[in-house]
Amino acid sequence: KAGVTQTPRYLIKTRGQQVTLSCSPISGHRSVSWYQQTPGQGLQFLFEYFSETQRNKGNFPGRFSGRQFSNSRSEMNVSTLELGDSALYLCASSFNSGTKQGTQYFGPGTRLLVL
Amino acid sequence: DAKTTQPPSMDCAEGRAANLPCNHSTISGNEYVYWYRQIHSQGPQYIIHGLKNNETNEMASLIITEDRKSSTLILPHATLRDTAVYYCIVRGGTYGGSQGNLIFGKGTKLSVKP
Repeated sequence: KAGVTQTPRYLIKTRGQQVTLSCSPISGHRSVSWYQQTPGQGLQFLFEYFSETQRNKGNFPGRFSGRQFSNSRSEMNVSTLELGDSALYLCASSFNSGTKQGTQYFGPGTRLLVL
Repeated sequence: DAKTTQPPSMDCAEGRAANLPCNHSTISGNEYVYWYRQIHSQGPQYIIHGLKNNETNEMASLIITEDRKSSTLILPHATLRDTAVYYCIVRGGTYGGSQGNLIFGKGTKLSVKP
């Protein structure tokens, strides 16, 4: 079974621009979570989507948004980019079942550099 | 904040067992202990998880103390490719609640040396 895929893998943007990152979950997984990893703050939770609905949200400004499609694929968008948004953005998917306890499996990440 | 405490770094000789400790003294009854690892700049890789019984899979073993306040991840025969940051995470068992997301601490940087 294919793992979580993220596109693009690398991205360079300038301050003020916006960016959209994409995540395709493992087949059959209905939940997608997004995380940001920076050297200073480590791995931080952004938000989680399940059945096209945001179920949980981390402590990030409104410039960070996401959505999920009916096929469980997800996108996250960052508007008005700042230098501090340079980070590795990670997507994780899980299968929502009580017996599976929702283990999250991560993709390879998208490395965003804001200049 | 992360609900776990791990040593910042550990060394292990190649071929020997790597024992990575984790303290989670405030764990509650329905919370699981998860272990992930992250090899340089890659996405975190799921290793194993458990509730109260010891668990073993093809990658590692997880030993949880009877009071569940600490656990140890055991890599039985460490190789150079096991060099990574290992994260111990406590996560709620009720999926979809506020504990659904993973809260990462700083983890333990394991260096496997030849």
